[in-house]
Amino acid sequence: LAKTTQPISMDSYEGQEVNITCSHNNIATNDYITWYQQFPSQGPRFIIQGYKTKVTNEVASLFIPADRKSSTLSLPRVSLSDTAVYYCLVGVPLSYNTDKLIFGTGTRLQVFP
Amino acid sequence: DSGVTQTPKHLITATGQRVTLRCSPRSGDLSVYWYQQSLDQGLQFLIQYYNGEERAKGNILERFSAQQFPDLHSELNLSSLELGDSALYFCASSVGALEGIQYFGAGTRLSVL
Repeated sequence: LAKTTQPISMDSYEGQEVNITCSHNNIATNDYITWYQQFPSQGPRFIIQGYKTKVTNEVASLFIPADRKSSTLSLPRVSLSDTAVYYCLVGVPLSYNTDKLIFGTGTRLQVFP
Repeated sequence: DSGVTQTPKHLITATGQRVTLRCSPRSGDLSVYWYQQSLDQGLQFLIQYYNGEERAKGNILERFSAQQFPDLHSELNLSSLELGDSALYFCASSVGALEGIQYFGAGTRLSVL
């Protein structure tokens, strides 16, 4: 089971870059890393997914070092609307292992004006 | 809008009662997942259905059951309700049989009084 560890909370100011790191020491060879964002009383929303090196989309970047034991979600120039809980999941996108469907408690990001 | 529809949005009931939560997946998605999120807790995976059949089971209580119908909508039945069952219940869907990127509904907030 690829357990993940994230900081419980982080604070930032508008316009700053925010980096949230997730540790997953027991990641398996076939595991991918997926990040979701959740606003209060809403369902989680997919942000980004990657396997190795760097992935970038219109909202975030995901940095994965060579050993893949950790990953960093990078949010460029955050705004107040980025205040949310961010979850890191590790698992095989196409697998039978329901242990992978563990969201944990995530990282609560608070952005201040 | 994720394309996943959950009804009702809010549900208030009493202990010992039974309720049914409904979920319509995104068009084309065959998998439906149910999650429970208690106050300030992470998401707990309950159960997954794929094309009408149970695919995976998480920490779902025996008092809870679910099914997926031929039109692919799903229902989560909660019976003999207890105060501790008060939570947000999310439904998610994905394209394939195995967990990939999931798209979440807005949730049903259940209050057991």
